[in-house]
Amino acid sequence: GESVGLHLPTLSVQEGDNSIINCAYSNSASDYFIWYKQESGKGPQFIIDIRSNMDKRQGQRVTVLLNKTVKHLSLQIAATQPGDSAVYFCAETRGSYIPTFGRGTSLIVHP
Amino acid sequence: NAGVTQTPKFQVLKTGQSMTLQCAQDMNHEYMSWYRQDPGMGLRLIHYSVGAGITDQGEVPNGYNVSRSTTEDFPLRLLSAAPSQTSVYFCASSIRSGNQPQHFGDGTRLSIL
Repeated sequence: GESVGLHLPTLSVQEGDNSIINCAYSNSASDYFIWYKQESGKGPQFIIDIRSNMDKRQGQRVTVLLNKTVKHLSLQIAATQPGDSAVYFCAETRGSYIPTFGRGTSLIVHP
Repeated sequence: NAGVTQTPKFQVLKTGQSMTLQCAQDMNHEYMSWYRQDPGMGLRLIHYSVGAGITDQGEVPNGYNVSRSTTEDFPLRLLSAAPSQTSVYFCASSIRSGNQPQHFGDGTRLSIL
């Protein structure tokens, strides 16, 4: 998961495995959460979002889980592929406030 | 739609020089923002705008100016470049601030010598 420091947390998985990327958010009043994917040399790209009135949301091969009790967000990627290798960021926001981004987790998929 | 377009993609400056990083979006988004991204760190907000004519400071505004004369454009100006401003700069936009995903450009890689 994400943590303070100069080096990004890294998750290494084998192609075909499921990946779980974790994020601890800071504001218990946050009501909207987003996961972004950033490939090398590109800007972050929206993957999936979830609002605080939900605890799970599914997309294509991705699932986001929200545990408001412990302020924890996770991104699950099913059947991870080499093209999933990237840095993944979570972001939290409340109402119309500006989003706060986590530091990111680097996902490395080995063929 | 082109989305969010940033120019230039790469730039090298000497200390003390000034320059403007351009950002344009064609999605009629009200909210635009500038971030810098340094190795091992997340995105840090420099300045943002909730609409034409309105700008405000983010987490790390010192050394940067912005203006928002149109909905489409949100340029970032470095007044007197310093080596500490060597970074990758991203512009983003969304329909409005808050509960909306942001659309990012592909960044400007800036080196200050």
